[in-house]
Amino acid sequence: GQQLNQSPQSMFIQEGEDVSMNCTSSSIFNTWLWYKQDPGEGPVLLIALYKAGELTSNGRLTAQFGITRKDSFLNISASIPSDVGIYFCAGGPYSGGGADGLTFGKGTHLIIQP
Amino acid sequence: NAGVMQNPRHLVRRRGQEARLRCSPMKGHSHVYWYRQLPEEGLKFMVYLQKENIIDESGMPKERFSAEFPKEGPSILRIQQVVRGDSAAYFCASSPPESTGPGELFFGEGSRLTVL
Repeated sequence: GQQLNQSPQSMFIQEGEDVSMNCTSSSIFNTWLWYKQDPGEGPVLLIALYKAGELTSNGRLTAQFGITRKDSFLNISASIPSDVGIYFCAGGPYSGGGADGLTFGKGTHLIIQP
Repeated sequence: NAGVMQNPRHLVRRRGQEARLRCSPMKGHSHVYWYRQLPEEGLKFMVYLQKENIIDESGMPKERFSAEFPKEGPSILRIQQVVRGDSAAYFCASSPPESTGPGELFFGEGSRLTVL
């Protein structure tokens, strides 16, 4: 089946630093999405990307859909304590007939040291 | 709260018992997905349903697991004769109609199954 390689697995950073994480795949995806999961909660959608090359921002978050449609990155600028959590990338086929099941990466654990 | 509602949040079962997990999608959503998450792992797709139809169950084990989304009422994920390896968090997600954001999933808070 399709697999997503997400890196890094974990990041230990200082508050205020910028963060960068990425996802790669051997398969082409038509949609890339980034989710954040807090402990004991379900994932929450951060950014959705639908076009190759698309660059989208949501506050301090910026994500890009790679030109090859096989990768995506997420940047967080000026990190704050509430950014702590697990960030998942997800790729979807979406052929226009409905929201098919997404394939998720294994997540990047973000830990912020004050 | 008009989000995806899952219950129970926590469920403890002994080996051999049955587990039933329920999910009510967001208002206006007709697509329901079930995912399983093991500790320190990402989410694994199990099944995709629309009302009264299973669209894709390629991620669901062939034995002991079943899912339904009846015309009325919540979606149910049923695990028969549970084993310790079934212990995981099970997340339900729903998605909006195609015209308002295809590919985006809205997740519930999950049901955490522990098999003793």
